[in-house]
Amino acid sequence: TQLLEQSPQFLSIQEGENLTVYCNSSSVFSSLQWYRQEPGEGPVLLVTVVTGGEVKKLKRLTFQFGDARKDSSLHITAAQPGDTGLYLCAGNTGGFKTIFGAGTRLFVKA
Amino acid sequence: NAGVTQTPKFQVLKTGQSMTLQCAQDMNHEYMSWYRQDPGMGLRLIHYSVGAGITDQGEVPNGYNVSRSTTEDFPLRLLSAAPSQTSVYFCASRGGNNQPQHFGDGTRLSIL
Repeated sequence: TQLLEQSPQFLSIQEGENLTVYCNSSSVFSSLQWYRQEPGEGPVLLVTVVTGGEVKKLKRLTFQFGDARKDSSLHITAAQPGDTGLYLCAGNTGGFKTIFGAGTRLFVKA
Repeated sequence: NAGVTQTPKFQVLKTGQSMTLQCAQDMNHEYMSWYRQDPGMGLRLIHYSVGAGITDQGEVPNGYNVSRSTTEDFPLRLLSAAPSQTSVYFCASRGGNNQPQHFGDGTRLSIL
C-alpha cells in the first residue's frame, strides 16, 4: 500500500513565525502537488513539482521536491492569519491514482 | 467559468435511504473522481472514470455506484445509506494522469 505521511498534523503558531510542513513516502512520484483547503470548500492547488530537487516559490511559500522524488516540504515565511487552513500534499505515480496525505491543519494567531 | 459543481452542499439521510450526489465539470476533462474526506484520514478515492462510459473502483468503493454517460457529469449513488458513510464527499476532475485535480466545494452528508 502506498502511503504519503504528512507532519505535523496540527500546527498553531503566532503571526510572523516561520514553519515547515513535511510530506514523506517510500514511493517515487512522477509529480507532487500541494493544495490548501479552507472550511466548506474543496482543496485548491498551490503548486506542482515534477523534477527531483526542484524548488518553487509562491510569495512567502517555498516548496521543495526531494532529489529522489519521494518527499517534499512546504516552508512558510512570516506566517499570516490568512495562511490558516488545511494543507494537503498529493503524489502521482504516473498512473491514474493520486495519493493524498492526511493533511496539516495550520492555525496562525494574530 | 464554473469549474467543478457539486450538489447538494448538505444532506441528511436516514439509514437505508438512497440518494445521488451530482457532479458536473465544464473544463472538458476526461478524468473524474469521487473522494470522501474524513478527519485524520485525508482524501480516499471511491470511484473514478477516465472517460465517458468508463468507470473503475477506487480504494473504498463498497456501498457506492457511479456512471459516466457524458464527459461533463459523474454522479455518485449511495444505494442504502449507512452511518459509516457520514462524510464530506468531493468530486474532482483533471486533464490527464499527472495533471492537478480541480475540486468541487463538497457535499457534507450525514446518515442518521
